[in-house]
Amino acid sequence: EPEVTQTPSHQVTQMGQEVILRCVPISNHLYFYWYRQILGQKVEFLVSFYNNEISEKSEIFDDQFSVERPDGSNFTLKIRSTKLEDSAMYFCASSGDTNTEAFFGQGTRLTVV
Amino acid sequence: DQQVKQNSPSLSVQEGRISILNCDYTNSMFDYFLWYKKYPAEGPTFLISISSIKDKNEDGRFTVFLNKSAKHLSLHIVPSQPGDSAVYFCAASRYGGSQGNLIFGKGTKLSVKP
Repeated sequence: EPEVTQTPSHQVTQMGQEVILRCVPISNHLYFYWYRQILGQKVEFLVSFYNNEISEKSEIFDDQFSVERPDGSNFTLKIRSTKLEDSAMYFCASSGDTNTEAFFGQGTRLTVV
Repeated sequence: DQQVKQNSPSLSVQEGRISILNCDYTNSMFDYFLWYKKYPAEGPTFLISISSIKDKNEDGRFTVFLNKSAKHLSLHIVPSQPGDSAVYFCAASRYGGSQGNLIFGKGTKLSVKP
């Protein structure tokens, strides 16, 4: 069964460092998303990406964040200068077309120290 | 601003009985609703969805009911099984399910006891 895969599963970084979280969405999907879940809190939308551009982003997705689809398979989230409060589980998701559910990856746990 | 609310943080049910998980929303622009199940250290797994033009959708042991006038939906699991023990998230979308972002509730932790 096709699945969304994320690497790494756990990333520890120093405050102020840049991190890149990687995702391989399901191959024939068109819409790509990043969500995050801070420990003990709800899953929050960060950004959606369609047709090689951001289609929607939340207030969380400020100038420190960027997304890229550098080739036909990967979808990356970059945090330019990490802060302690960026520590969370980051989930990538993808979906096919309208009215279909989003499939989530297993997540990357980012710990900023 | 909680647009999607799951007011019960936890629910405990006996195996074989019905589990009813509830969700309320405030934004009348939502037109697509989904339930996800999540195990620790895993991503959310899609369970079932419903469009706002319907009031019920059934898939095996899972049924979702939507009451638009009350802005309320519920997930029924019957019969409940120990493997159903997980956190269940209600989510809503304004764009037919996939074009826009999903707004999640805080989740309800379901424990099904043998």
